[in-house]
Amino acid sequence: DAGVIQSPRHEVTEMGQEVTLRCKPISGHDYLFWYRQTMMRGLELLIYFNNNVPIDDSGMPEDRFSAKMPNASFSTLKIQPSEPRDSAVYFCASSGEAKGYTFGSGTRLTVV
Amino acid sequence: QKEVEQNSGPLSVPEGAIASLNCTYSDRGSQSFFWYRQYSGKSPELIMFIYSNGDKEDGRFTAQLNKASQYVSLLIRDSQPSDSATYLCALRGGNMLTFGGGTRLMVKP
Repeated sequence: DAGVIQSPRHEVTEMGQEVTLRCKPISGHDYLFWYRQTMMRGLELLIYFNNNVPIDDSGMPEDRFSAKMPNASFSTLKIQPSEPRDSAVYFCASSGEAKGYTFGSGTRLTVV
Repeated sequence: QKEVEQNSGPLSVPEGAIASLNCTYSDRGSQSFFWYRQYSGKSPELIMFIYSNGDKEDGRFTAQLNKASQYVSLLIRDSQPSDSATYLCALRGGNMLTFGGGTRLMVKP
């Protein structure tokens, strides 16, 4: 298995632009999570899905953030419009059992 | 809110020594606990999980859980420079993991 695949690995964008992050979970995993990691706040859960349905989005910082999971093998996290304070590493993770998660390699987002 | 607390470090140990990483948590109802290792610039990777009070050993790693005192620890025996990383403690509530801030470990040759 290729693991959790995220793209792009790095994204540099200007303030106000739309940013779309992508994730392909491990086949057979029915939970998908989006996390954000910064030095100041550590790993923060943004939203998670179960069987493609959003279950808890209470961690989404504001309406500029949205996430979708149109099928079991694909999810997106969109920021529109982006702001410098959104700069962070965004991780996608998937899980299929009552154990820990498998993380993707992350997307390092820089908003200038 | 489930809180997970870790000393941010850095914790510096000489090569070959035992590194002891600690984590406390606030939710008495938490049932399962996880240790992740994160190298600089990389994603977290699962190294151990523990559900029951007591010790669980896996190679050079031992996880210890004390639910009465609400702490979980990770011992790394015969520490190697390659163990230098940030170690994240996490607890599972429902289907979500809540992470601590991590402890940076430095193993010096």
